Amino acid sequence: QSALTQPRSVSGSPGQSVTISCTGTSSDVGGYDYVSWYQQHPGKAPKLMIYDVTKRPSGVPDRFSGSKSGNTASLTISDLQTEDESDYYCYSFAGSYTFAVFGGGTSLTVL
Amino acid sequence: EVQLLESGGGLVQPGGSLRLSCATSGFAFSSYGMSWFRQAPGRGLEWVSTISGEATTTYYADSVKGRFTISRDQSEKAFFLQMNRLRAEDTATYYCARLVLLQPDFWGQGSLVTVSS
Repeated sequence: QSALTQPRSVSGSPGQSVTISCTGTSSDVGGYDYVSWYQQHPGKAPKLMIYDVTKRPSGVPDRFSGSKSGNTASLTISDLQTEDESDYYCYSFAGSYTFAVFGGGTSLTVL
Repeated sequence: EVQLLESGGGLVQPGGSLRLSCATSGFAFSSYGMSWFRQAPGRGLEWVSTISGEATTTYYADSVKGRFTISRDQSEKAFFLQMNRLRAEDTATYYCARLVLLQPDFWGQGSLVTVSS
């Protein structure tokens, strides 16, 4: 069982928006702004999509956005494209003992 | 261009040892913390270990504490994961990654470790 809770799957049609939630505790998501999101295609390494809750690395489309409220972070993908179909993982720094935790991953299907 | 490349994975018997290496290029290696992560077949991502930029501090997941050791060679711009007393549940693809603000940004392509008799 993962430390952070994500929905197992979400789906949407091209052009629509979807939001993936990531629920933790005050010891991780709620306690730090070091929350990031990763896209992982089958057999590939994870790719950073969002860091510091809301920031986008260079090259990531602005269709991807992040937010946080209390112990829950969210990733929103607007104007869905077929190439967005992938697994998405949330990550949070969790202090100097646990250090880091992940969500269990969410499979996004673009119908 | 930031690049990370793992090596050293393979098949090992339970109780055996393996040393993973991560060669890096394209950034000021000693200025960054570095981490190892793993992903068991069909499962999610798991943090394994982290070493600070100056190698003064290390962190380990409870599942590997006492069995795995992380280290780095600043002159070689590489870091390592020594894995001892391996168990079947350690079977996974192991990824090395650079940390920026305590979050991994660039990842290697992964190295498969299989623990089986």
